[in-house]
Amino acid sequence: AQKVTQAQTEISVVEKEDVTLDCVYETRDTTYYLFWYKQPPSGELVFLIRRNSFDEQNEISGRYSWNFQKSTSSFNFTITASQVVDSAVYFCALSERTDGATNKLIFGTGTLLAVQP
Amino acid sequence: GAVVSQHPSWVICKSGTSVKIECRSLDFQATTMFWYRQFPKQSLMLMATSNEGSKATYEQGVEKDKFLINHASLTLSTLTVTSAHPEDSSFYICSARYYGYTFGSGTRLTVV
Repeated sequence: AQKVTQAQTEISVVEKEDVTLDCVYETRDTTYYLFWYKQPPSGELVFLIRRNSFDEQNEISGRYSWNFQKSTSSFNFTITASQVVDSAVYFCALSERTDGATNKLIFGTGTLLAVQP
Repeated sequence: GAVVSQHPSWVICKSGTSVKIECRSLDFQATTMFWYRQFPKQSLMLMATSNEGSKATYEQGVEKDKFLINHASLTLSTLTVTSAHPEDSSFYICSARYYGYTFGSGTRLTVV
C-alpha cells in the first residue's frame, strides 16, 4: 500500500531563513507521481509541483526547490529566503495506479510552517 | 486552466438533516472525481472515488449509506451527507483529475 510520511509536524522560522520540508514515501509501483500542495488558512489547496517517478531531476521555481531521490524514497521541498506569506500547511502526496484504473492521491500528514517576521 | 467549483463554501445544519455538496468541473470533463474529508489540524483523508455513470468506490471505513455520492454527468459530482451528526462536522473537499489533480475550494460543514 502507498504511504506518505511527513515527520515534521510544525516548523517555525524567522523571515529570510531557508527551510526544508521532508517527505518520505512508500509504494510498490515503479510508476508513480509525487506532489506538493500548499494549504493556507483559507483551506484551498494550491498546487506547487508534480514529479513522475522517472524524472529525478531536481527542480527550482523561484524561491522553491525540490529534491527527488528515489534511492531514499524522498521528495523534499526547500523554501529559500522564507517570507511571512509562506506560512501555511504543506502537504506531500503520492499517486500510484491501483487496479489498473483510478489513480488515487494519498496525502501525508502535512507540515505546518510558520514564518515569523 | 482547469477549474473545479465547489458549493457551498460553508454550511450549518441541524443534527439529523441531510446536506448536499456539489463539485463541478467548469472547463473540462471529469470522468473521475475524488472526495476528501479533513478534520482540524489533520490531513486530507480520501473518502471515495466517484466515477461518471457508475457507483462510487468507497475507502475502507467510510459508510456508503451515510455519504452518498452521485456522478451523473462528466462535469458534476455530488456528496450528500445523510442524517448528519456533530461528528460529521468537517472540511470536505473534492478533486478532479486533469493533468494532475485539481481541487475545489472546500466546504466547511458544521452540524449543530
